[in-house]
Amino acid sequence: DAGVIQSPRHEVTEMGQEVTLRCKPISGHDYLFWYRQTMMRGLELLIYFNNNVPIDDSGMPEDRFSAKMPNASFSTLKIQPSEPRDSAVYFCASRPGRENTEAFFGQGTRLTVV
Amino acid sequence: AQSVTQLGSHVSVSEGALVLLRCNYSSSVPPYLFWYVQYPNQGLQLLLKYTSAATLVKGINGFEAEFKKSETSFHLTKPSAHMSDAAEYFCALAGGTSYGKLTFGQGTILTVHP
Repeated sequence: DAGVIQSPRHEVTEMGQEVTLRCKPISGHDYLFWYRQTMMRGLELLIYFNNNVPIDDSGMPEDRFSAKMPNASFSTLKIQPSEPRDSAVYFCASRPGRENTEAFFGQGTRLTVV
Repeated sequence: AQSVTQLGSHVSVSEGALVLLRCNYSSSVPPYLFWYVQYPNQGLQLLLKYTSAATLVKGINGFEAEFKKSETSFHLTKPSAHMSDAAEYFCALAGGTSYGKLTFGQGTILTVHP
């Protein structure tokens, strides 16, 4: 397996534009997590899914953020409209069903909103 | 709610010295605990995990951690630091009443001096 695949690796966009980040989890993994990493706030859990169903989205900062998982092999995180304070590295991770197992991380998407 | 606290956002050691990175958790039931490492511009990767078997856990690259229920701690140690150990280290928690959630501490940046 190629691991968790995120795209794009880098995204630069203007304030007010819509941004869509994509994630392909490892096949067979039941959980998918979206995290945001910044210098100020560290690694924050935004939302996670179990079997394609959102379980906890309490970390999503505002209504401008939305996430979907239409099937077991694909998830998106959308920001609309984007703001400079959304600039961060966004990570996707996936994990098998058992909680004592390792979560595997993608390489991240570095988002810059100017 | 379950949580993880890492004491010290930055730790600096000399090459060959002991590495000690501190992690304390809060949970009503014994959780699963993990240490992840992040090298610059990369995703997180697993160093080791505690899953209620042996309380002293050995991981990759010579790291180990000891689960101490009485102290609610899971500190990471390495007897002799190498320059290649310079990275950011994250303690994480799952299980218990987390309903699948994987929660990370704020991270500790380890600097190794020659």
